[in-house]
Amino acid sequence: ELKVEQNPLFLSMQEGKNYTIYCNYSTTSDRLYWYRQDPGKSLESLFVLLSNGAVKQEGRLMASLDTKARLSTLHITAAVHDLSATYFCAVGSLSFAGGTSYGKLTFGQGTILTVHP
Amino acid sequence: DAGVTQSPTHLIKTRGQHVTLRCSPISGHKSVSWYQQVLGQGPQFIFQYYEKEERGRGNFPDRFSARQFPNYSSELNVNALLLGDSALYLCASLQKGAGETQYFGPGTRLLVL
Repeated sequence: ELKVEQNPLFLSMQEGKNYTIYCNYSTTSDRLYWYRQDPGKSLESLFVLLSNGAVKQEGRLMASLDTKARLSTLHITAAVHDLSATYFCAVGSLSFAGGTSYGKLTFGQGTILTVHP
Repeated sequence: DAGVTQSPTHLIKTRGQHVTLRCSPISGHKSVSWYQQVLGQGPQFIFQYYEKEERGRGNFPDRFSARQFPNYSSELNVNALLLGDSALYLCASLQKGAGETQYFGPGTRLLVL
C-alpha cells in the first residue's frame, strides 16, 4: 500500500527566511503533485512533477522530484505572510491495474505553514 | 471557463439518512474523481469515473456509490450515514493526458449529527 509522508507537519517561519518541506513516498511513481489549501477552502494546484530530476518554480516556491529516492521537496524562499496555508504533496497512481490514467492521488498529511512578520 | 462546481456547499444530515452530492467538471474534462477530507487530514480517494465508467475505487464501504452522466457530471451517494462520514467531500476534474493535473472543486461540507 502506497504511503506518503510529509515533514514537518507544522512549520512556523519568519518572513524573509527560507525553508524546505519534504515529501517521502513508499512505492515507485513518476507523478508527484503539490497543492495548497487555505482554511475552509478547496485545493489549489501548485506543481506537477513528471520525471526524475524535474524542477519547477513559481514565485517564491520551488518543487523538485527525485524518483530514485522517492522524495520530493517544496522549497520556500524569502517567505511572506501570504504563503501561510496548508501544503499537501500527492502521489499519482494508475486508477486500476492495466489502466492508463493516473486518476488516484494519495495525499500526505499536509504541512501547516504559518509565516510571521 | 468555469472551474469545477459542486453542490450543495453545506449539508447537515442525521445518522442513518442518505445524501447525494453533485459535481460538474471543467468543460471538456471527461474524468471525475471524488475524495473525502476529514478535518486535519489529507484527502482520501473514493472513486474515479471516466467516460461514465468506474475506473477506480478507494477503501470505502459499499455505502458509498457514485455515477457519471452523459454530460460528464457526477453524483456521489452515501447511504446509512454515520457520524464519521462528516467531512469535506471534494470533486476533482481531470483531463487525461500528460500531467493529468486534477483540478478540485470548492467541496461540499457534510455534517452528520
